[in-house]
Amino acid sequence: SQQGEEDPQALSIQEGENATMNCSYKTSINNLQWYRQNSGRGLVHLILIRSNEREKHSGRLRVTLDTSKKSSSLLITASRAADTASYFCATKEGGGNKLTFGTGTQLKVEL
Amino acid sequence: DGGITQSPKYLFRKEGQNVTLSCEQNLNHDAMYWYRQDPGQGLRLIYYSQIVNDFQKGDIAEGYSVSREKKESFPLTVTSAQKNPTAFYLCASSIRTSEYEQYFGPGTRLTVT
Repeated sequence: SQQGEEDPQALSIQEGENATMNCSYKTSINNLQWYRQNSGRGLVHLILIRSNEREKHSGRLRVTLDTSKKSSSLLITASRAADTASYFCATKEGGGNKLTFGTGTQLKVEL
Repeated sequence: DGGITQSPKYLFRKEGQNVTLSCEQNLNHDAMYWYRQDPGQGLRLIYYSQIVNDFQKGDIAEGYSVSREKKESFPLTVTSAQKNPTAFYLCASSIRTSEYEQYFGPGTRLTVT
């Protein structure tokens, strides 16, 4: 079963608006990562947040992590049409050597 | 020009044939991974390798095989035992284990008829 589950499954917004997507997971983790995938392409790493961190920023991206609720959120501010893609969270469990990916949020940013 | 490459981009095969997907990286990464992605789904781990000449099964290894004879290369063979092989296959690498970000190739779309 999937460790991470993103919410919502799909999101459509206007350019300039903020986009927020959430990820919930089941077991304790070492780190949580967010990736972007444009249609038919490979994934691109966006940001990694460790279990002892609560918030992290990278450009227009802001990621939060709440280990007590086993959840994370990705905020994209001032969205652009080029942000249109699928976004996946991936978790690394404490003792494991692999990432477990969620099912993704499809973001569409319209002009 | 560092990166991870996969070939071919599209692959068509008849049912019952084995097929090998190529994955090469020049990032000097120790760890490499193979994932399968079905339409509208997330990624599922097939196999991973933390070091040359060593690899472990992922969540859906049945019907697949891999080798890791060189640090740069991690080919995946989809055998005729894989019941539903049509999918998008992604290869990735990372410095070491999943403590670190993974770098992905562009993917190979396999269609078996």
